[in-house]
Amino acid sequence: GAVVSQHPSWVICKSGTSVKIECRSLDFQATTMFWYRQFPKQSLMLMATSNEGSKATYEQGVEKDKFLINHASLTLSTLTVTSAHPEDSSFYICSARARAWRDVREQYFGPGTRLTVT
Amino acid sequence: AQSVTQPDIHITVSEGASLELRCNYSYGATPYLFWYVQSPGQGLQLLLKYFSGDTLVQGIKGFEAEFKRSQSSFNLRKPSVHWSDAAEYFCAVVAHTGTASKLTFGTGTRLQVTL
Repeated sequence: GAVVSQHPSWVICKSGTSVKIECRSLDFQATTMFWYRQFPKQSLMLMATSNEGSKATYEQGVEKDKFLINHASLTLSTLTVTSAHPEDSSFYICSARARAWRDVREQYFGPGTRLTVT
Repeated sequence: AQSVTQPDIHITVSEGASLELRCNYSYGATPYLFWYVQSPGQGLQLLLKYFSGDTLVQGIKGFEAEFKRSQSSFNLRKPSVHWSDAAEYFCAVVAHTGTASKLTFGTGTRLQVTL
């Protein structure tokens, strides 16, 4: 149980285009989903926290107009990188926190999406 | 604010040898602590967690960790390393900011296993 999927697992796009990454909780309802960014050989940096049905909360330094997050349902959150540039190339990982019947202190991680902007 | 320090960026051990990865945290209250492992190009897998109770916690793949409040540490150990343990290991702490409960990660320790 507590499986989180991401789609696509990797994507290559041209500079100036937008790309959408999906994060789904497959066997539980996620009240909160988190989006992280990881540069090569570095740690995970939290980008934003999204709660179902409300606006995402972005960490300091993260451009909310560039990284659009939508959490439309209890099982789906999307991250759209708008007008992507090569410096946006990174590994994006989502995680989900379940509703009350599971331990709300624990996050379940997706497998990540590798974004390459050419 | 909470923080996590992993002093060792890179560790190399021989297969069959014991392993200890260090983790120190800074947090005002009792922390919730985690160890994750990440293989290249993969997401994170939870190895073990500490919330309360017994300070020695057992995890998957033969790993264990000991919470030492006096040292603000949560070191990960394994008595005998296997070649498949080569990966990146992250220590993390949860901060309690209302319902946010954000995870803060350490910088990671890359484990190399020699045969």
